[in-house]
Amino acid sequence: DIQMTQSPSSLSASVGDRVTITCRASQGIRNDLGWYQQKPGKAPKRLIYAASSLQSGVPSRFSGSGSGTEFTLTISSLQPEDFATYYCLQHNSYPRFTFGPGTKVDIK
Amino acid sequence: EVQLVESGGGLVQPGGSLRLSCAASGFTFSSYSMNWVRQAPGKGLEWVSYISSSSRTIYYADSVKGRFTISRDNAKNSLYLQMNGLRAEDTAVYYCARDESSTWSFDYWGQGTLVTVSS
Repeated sequence: DIQMTQSPSSLSASVGDRVTITCRASQGIRNDLGWYQQKPGKAPKRLIYAASSLQSGVPSRFSGSGSGTEFTLTISSLQPEDFATYYCLQHNSYPRFTFGPGTKVDIK
Repeated sequence: EVQLVESGGGLVQPGGSLRLSCAASGFTFSSYSMNWVRQAPGKGLEWVSYISSSSRTIYYADSVKGRFTISRDNAKNSLYLQMNGLRAEDTAVYYCARDESSTWSFDYWGQGTLVTVSS
């Protein structure tokens, strides 16, 4: 089974900061990875698919990169509405899926 | 507008059963594979089960295999999850999620339904 890890597990940042979250796979998964944002009490929302493609309607301050085993989600200038938990999701083993454990971004 | 609305959650005793439903609208349900994903209180997301558009292919996470059954009724635009032999560790919010065939990942999610397994 493919295992996913994320770092950091949490971070504190200020509005306007550049934030980077890393997701690592236990084996190569090509670019079969997406990033999701979840706010408390809400369903997850897809931000990025295929490692680097921006979901329609998602602000351009979000970007994704990477392939193989290491991936990053970058928020170029953190906004108040971006404080949330972020998850990566691999689908290389489709139709079996694995989420990363999540990264909580809160206000410094 | 794509909408997914889950229902059927509630309080059930250990060993009991529950059937979740997900009503889909705003898209051609019969053309999409679907999934169930759950989230225990204060925890991360866990994929539970997958069903192809025709119901021909079905997969389960090891944690629910043999206890949960996924199904769908394309005529009713509905997805189901029959949960038997429930355990305390099955307590979670259960989401249905659409599987976007072009990207092989989840593009739309329902709002979730809470299942609590407790005596």
